[in-house]
Amino acid sequence: AQRVTQPEKLLSVFKGAPVELKCNYSYSGSPELFWYVQYSRQRLQLLLRHISRESIKGFTADLNKGETSFHLKKPFAQEEDSAMYYCEGGGADGLTFGKGTHLIIQP
Amino acid sequence: NAGVTQTPKFQVLKTGQSMTLQCAQDMNHEYMSWYRQDPGMGLRLIHYSVGAGITDQGEVPNGYNVSRSTTEDFPLRLLSAAPSQTSVYFCASSYFGTSGYEQYFGPGTRLTVT
Repeated sequence: AQRVTQPEKLLSVFKGAPVELKCNYSYSGSPELFWYVQYSRQRLQLLLRHISRESIKGFTADLNKGETSFHLKKPFAQEEDSAMYYCEGGGADGLTFGKGTHLIIQP
Repeated sequence: NAGVTQTPKFQVLKTGQSMTLQCAQDMNHEYMSWYRQDPGMGLRLIHYSVGAGITDQGEVPNGYNVSRSTTEDFPLRLLSAAPSQTSVYFCASSYFGTSGYEQYFGPGTRLTVT
């Protein structure tokens, strides 16, 4: 079965420090991978997709097929980045979500 | 476009009561799905639909029914609510376009079963 693993339930970093939210997937083909963000009591929003190789709100994520990872990174964290982050991934058989990482940016 | 809308935003039920969570989208997306979000569990797929008249079970379907009579609407029914169904429920619609797959979420329904 396909799995998406986000090993950290909680990640706390100081404002201005680099952020890396980890996501690993288990899918043997070419995966589709996404990151979503959910601010407090708001709806989930798509943050970025691996296929578009874009940078949204300063975040980037690179697909590493060798390590089966799609980690989310930002060089300098801002307080407004505090939120829940979900990684989603899979392929033709369907997509699954990781359990999410709660990112807290301390002032 | 209103996107994906869900009603109600909040609901409190007693054990054994039934209710329907409404979900509608105005983007003409074929694919719609329901998730529940629980602390430490992330998002889990309850049911999904690949088009009007077609539904299928997700990861945690027990205790829930769905139907898809139109492209726009995808209601989720709880036939006999249980405290274990206390959760936040998200409806989503998605499509596969030229730039790939994209999913849009509703604002969520916070359900408490006492």
